[in-house]
Amino acid sequence: AQSVTQLGSHVSVSEGALVLLRCNYSSSVPPYLFWYVQYPNQGLQLLLKYTSAATLVKGINGFEAEFKKSETSFHLTKPSAHMSDAAEYFCAVTLSGGSYIPTFGRGTSLIVHP
Amino acid sequence: AAGVIQSPRHLIKEKRETATLKCYPIPRHDTVYWYQQGPGQDPQFLISFYEKMQSDKGSIPDRFSAQQFSDYHSELNMSSLELGDSALYFCASSLQGAVGANVLTFGAGSRLTVL
Repeated sequence: AQSVTQLGSHVSVSEGALVLLRCNYSSSVPPYLFWYVQYPNQGLQLLLKYTSAATLVKGINGFEAEFKKSETSFHLTKPSAHMSDAAEYFCAVTLSGGSYIPTFGRGTSLIVHP
Repeated sequence: AAGVIQSPRHLIKEKRETATLKCYPIPRHDTVYWYQQGPGQDPQFLISFYEKMQSDKGSIPDRFSAQQFSDYHSELNMSSLELGDSALYFCASSLQGAVGANVLTFGAGSRLTVL
């Protein structure tokens, strides 16, 4: 079975600072990995996904994530935080050649201070 | 572009009552998923349908049932409601046969409050 662990339920940064949201996965086969963002009272929106092509994946709104097999990680980064980035971020995993049902992490709430 | 439509957006019920949530997937998407997200929790997979047949089952209580109709819309029926059923219920759809990873498109959710 696959799983993801998001380290830190809350991350607080200043506007303009680097954003780093951590995600580690556990999978017996090559995974597909996703980051979704959820704004208050809205559904989840896809930020980016890793599908075994390039290990550095660029997404929307200036976010990117790097797949590191040796570290079983897929951390989400953004060079400069904006107030509008404040939201809940979920890492998710599915399996290649297996179940396409995403398993989500517990989420990380990003707080951006002016 | 058309998105996943869920109704109602908000629903208030009493304990032991019944509730029905509806989901209209993106046109031509062949798979519908239901997730439950409790306060401060990650979305928990309940059930999915592929081409109107149940395809996967997650942590859906026996009091809940769901189906997908000929027009591909799906309904989640919840009976004997309990306080713990209060949550945000998301529907998502995807194109199962898409090359690469399966990307879900989520609706805005239906917030159920059980009093």
